[in-house]
Amino acid sequence: QSALTQPASVSGSPGQSITITCAGSSSDVGDSKYVAWYQQYPGKAPKVVIYDVSQRPSGVSNRFSGSKSGNSASLTISGLQAEDEADYYCISRAGGNTWVFGGGSRLTVL
Amino acid sequence: QLQLQESGPGLVKPSETLSLTCTVSGGSMISTDTYWHWIRQPPGKGLEWIGSVYYSGSTFYNPSLESRVTVSADTSKNQFFLRLNSVTATDTGIFYCARSYASNFSWSQGTLVTVSS
Repeated sequence: QSALTQPASVSGSPGQSITITCAGSSSDVGDSKYVAWYQQYPGKAPKVVIYDVSQRPSGVSNRFSGSKSGNSASLTISGLQAEDEADYYCISRAGGNTWVFGGGSRLTVL
Repeated sequence: QLQLQESGPGLVKPSETLSLTCTVSGGSMISTDTYWHWIRQPPGKGLEWIGSVYYSGSTFYNPSLESRVTVSADTSKNQFFLRLNSVTATDTGIFYCARSYASNFSWSQGTLVTVSS
């Protein structure tokens, strides 16, 4: 079970859109409808922004969207705001009811 | 509203066993399609899924930790537990307990456990 692959860092200017990718395999992302994205501020617990590939919890801005194609998933944040600066982690259910995280991506709002 | 709170020692000696309890309030652990997880985060690093338990007692583990980990639950007390054996300094980190329904995880605030003599 290998960690999912995310870019270590992404950046964008306020108002722009950015996409964070999460590359897995046919054993996890490619074979699961259970892929989620979590936002984590320093010193805080992670918070879900997208679950089940593309579902947005109530209270999460509609600027956050998720998708999946093949063995990769993506998180897109549109209309980037300063408050979006945080670490983002993807997670996918894998075989045998186990779970695997991505390595995390630090988003910097320029 | 569901809340999860970890408890346990913040300092564990190398080679000993790390034991944590997660107490669930505001809801019952006995719920279909709901799983109860332990997740850790070494200082300055990413998240790692440790293992989970279903209310029936079924357990699931990260293959890389399976030989050292036991996750269990006491649904009568609305608590679930983590035991990690033979710890080393690399096991130092923040430990979170969490509930999942599908891939929607709700997290505890986290507790720092340091492995040091």
